[in-house]
Order: sequence, then structure tokens, then C-alpha cells
Amino acid sequence: RKEVEQDPGPFNVPEGATVAFNCTYSNSASQSFFWYRQDCRKEPKLLMSVYSSGNEDGRFTAQLNRASQYISLLIRDSKLSDSATYLCVVPNTGGFKTIFGAGTRLFVKA
Amino acid sequence: DTAVSQTPKYLVTQMGNDKSIKCEQNLGHDTMYWYKQDSKKFLKIMFSYNNKELIINETVPNRFSPKSPDKAHLNLHINSLELGDSAVYFCASSQTGFMDTQYFGPGTRLTVL
Repeated sequence: RKEVEQDPGPFNVPEGATVAFNCTYSNSASQSFFWYRQDCRKEPKLLMSVYSSGNEDGRFTAQLNRASQYISLLIRDSKLSDSATYLCVVPNTGGFKTIFGAGTRLFVKA
Repeated sequence: DTAVSQTPKYLVTQMGNDKSIKCEQNLGHDTMYWYKQDSKKFLKIMFSYNNKELIINETVPNRFSPKSPDKAHLNLHINSLELGDSAVYFCASSQTGFMDTQYFGPGTRLTVL
């Protein structure tokens, strides 16, 4: 099993839609998690962090299920500007490093 | 003010050459990183430094040598460049360590011909 696995996508959704991505992780000792956003030909930027059961920031909600070892990202009322790749990020406490998922590509269409 | 900066932004070079990429952060962070993002967009850690000391050295060919003259700078030197080295290289920094939010530089797009 890969350390971090994401829905491969791409997801093609119309403006205003609700879309959810899943991410599973293998290290049960992981305590904190992140979602980063990467626009085409740009650097990754933090979208939100998840330390307990979840986090909400405007239209974005991240949920953590420790028992099943997955994190989800829900985007409500999608905007054209949400089109990007979303990276699930899990610090690996055993290896003292951060593991990035392969990313889920989202296209929001008018 | 740019938080994490890298130079150059683009690098096109021939196989066998030696090249360097520079990275600087003005955030006062203790930890800096080098990542490689290949054509499949997979972002992989290469090196991590904490207060100028090497913390992580992934299975990277020893043609790649990082150098941290101070905690605000982390440079990457690559010897004998190969075609497979073509990728985007990102520098990043975080406050204390790998559990913190990482701030990325704009990336250096390396093309080896």
C-alpha cells in the first residue's frame, strides 16, 4: 500500500457543483494532515490543515477518519478559480519527512 | 516581499554539465527542503536541512549535493547532469520541522538536452 493515495481524477464539474476528494494514508501514527493546492506551473500552497476530526474554511471542508485512515476534502459551490491540483500531505513521523500524494486534478467549467 | 525565492527559474543545459540552483527564505524558518516534481507531477522529497544540518537525504544519486551556508539558504548542486534529471525542483521552508506548514519557492524548471 502506498504511503499516501489520492483519487486520481481528473474531476470535471460545472460551476456551483459540490465535489469531494479522498485520500488514504498508511501510517496510523500520523497526527496532522494538510491539503495543498497547486495551480498549473506554480508552486504548491497550503489550502488547509487538519489536526483533529476536521476543519472548515468557507466553501472548503476537510474531514479526518482515523479509524479508516482517510482524509477527505469537500468543495461546495465550485468556482472556476478552484480549478487546480489538490495535494494530500501527510507528515511521516517515522521517517521525519512529509509525504505528498500524487494529487487530484479538478476542472471547474462554466 | 518574496518569502521563498529560487534562482534561476528556468535552466536548460546539456547532458554532462554541472549546474546549481539557489534558494533563500526570509521567513526566519529553521527547516528547508528540496523537492523534485517529475513529468507525472509527483512531488518527492530529496533533502531536508534543519539549522544548516542535514536531516533527510532520500535515495538521491550522489551527483546531487545540497549545501546550506546558513539557515536562510539552501543550494543544490548537480554534477554530470542526465536526461532523467529534467524536472521542476522546488525549494521549501517550514518554521521548525516537517510537521509544520511548508512554504514553497516558485520552482526551477530544469531541462537537460
